Amino acid sequence: AQSVTQLGSHVSVSEGALVLLRCNYSSSVPPYLFWYVQYPNQGLQLLLKYTSAATLVKGINGFEAEFKKSETSFHLTKPSAHMSDAAEYFCAVSDPIKAAGNKLTFGGGTRVLVKP
Amino acid sequence: DGGITQSPKYLFRKEGQNVTLSCEQNLNHDAMYWYRQDPGQGLRLIYYSQIVNDFQKGDIAEGYSVSREKKESFPLTVTSAQKNPTAFYLCASSMPMNTEAFFGQGTRLTVV
Repeated sequence: AQSVTQLGSHVSVSEGALVLLRCNYSSSVPPYLFWYVQYPNQGLQLLLKYTSAATLVKGINGFEAEFKKSETSFHLTKPSAHMSDAAEYFCAVSDPIKAAGNKLTFGGGTRVLVKP
Repeated sequence: DGGITQSPKYLFRKEGQNVTLSCEQNLNHDAMYWYRQDPGQGLRLIYYSQIVNDFQKGDIAEGYSVSREKKESFPLTVTSAQKNPTAFYLCASSMPMNTEAFFGQGTRLTVV
């Protein structure tokens, strides 16, 4: 079974500082990996995805993530935090081989607070 | 505009009642999903459907039921057998060969 671990349920950063959100996965085969963002009382919006192409993936709003197979990681970064980045972020994994649709397994989420 | 519409946004249920959450999509996606979100637990899969008239249980299906009579609709019923239904419910859809899921805005269910 696949699993996703997000280290740190809460992260506080200063405006303009680096944002680093950690995600490690467990999967028997190279998976597809995703980062989603959720603003309060809203649905999830896709930030970026890794689907076995380039290991460094660029997404929306200046975010990027690097797939490291040896470390089973897919950490999300943004060089300079903006107040609008305050939200909850979810890492998710799907199995590209299983034919059971695109079920996603989510991490527990990391809530980001941006200090002025 | 294409998207996923969940209704209502807020729903209150009395003990012992069944309630149905609506999810409609006009993205022409074959697959649809229901997730439950609780604080600190991420999202957990309740049910999913890959085609019309077919659906499978997810990780936490007990106390829930679904139907998929039309491609664009995937309603979720929270039955009285669900002992702790207060949560945020999210519906999603995707194409089988497209890996990302698109989400609705969610329904917050509260037991009163």
